[in-house]
Amino acid sequence: DAKTTQPPSMDCAEGRAANLPCNHSTISGNEYVYWYRQIHSQGPQYIIHGLKNNETNEMASLIITEDRKSSTLILPHATLRDTAVYYCIVRGLTNDYKLSFGAGTTVTVRA
Amino acid sequence: GAVVSQHPSRVICKSGTSVKIECRSLDFQATTMFWYRQFPKQSLMLMATSNEGSKATYEQGVEKDKFLINHASLTLSTLTVTSAHPEDSSFYICSARGGAAEKLFFGSGTQLSVL
Repeated sequence: DAKTTQPPSMDCAEGRAANLPCNHSTISGNEYVYWYRQIHSQGPQYIIHGLKNNETNEMASLIITEDRKSSTLILPHATLRDTAVYYCIVRGLTNDYKLSFGAGTTVTVRA
Repeated sequence: GAVVSQHPSRVICKSGTSVKIECRSLDFQATTMFWYRQFPKQSLMLMATSNEGSKATYEQGVEKDKFLINHASLTLSTLTVTSAHPEDSSFYICSARGGAAEKLFFGSGTQLSVL
């Protein structure tokens, strides 16, 4: 599976949009981009995933560039409860749904 | 969304004893479950893949005789840490996929402390 690169940390203000970048320049055509987050001492929580089209759900939006080499997770109105480590993961279709977690981005939402 | 229940959430045991951790998919059948380990301030590391009715597949460097995995039904996988030592103290997390779902669902994790 392609490797991802994320900034180690970022702060954002409560109520503002949080834009989390992820670079996956070696992604191949059949690999999906997944986002999970982990709040302290809990299991990871699924946020969103996509292949090439932008996606939106009740939690977030996922914007994937046309060349698919990078993506951005957007939390539209960050709250204090969104403070967590956010993981961007690329998964192929043939690895039996294994997810390999990198270091992620520690997002701190400040009042 | 689908629910994965993990039990216990926290366990403290003496060195040399064995500890069993359960992972259940509550509202779906999980053909495949995964076990992860996470040390403080580190990311999740995949330990093994558990397929219902067959032997688990372990990642390189994970001792299969120490971390026994059983996936006897479509809703339950267990991880037994045998002869636990203090270096086995960690946060253990399971995840499950079922059917055509394209996403994994994670349990809430088990904090193991070996004294």
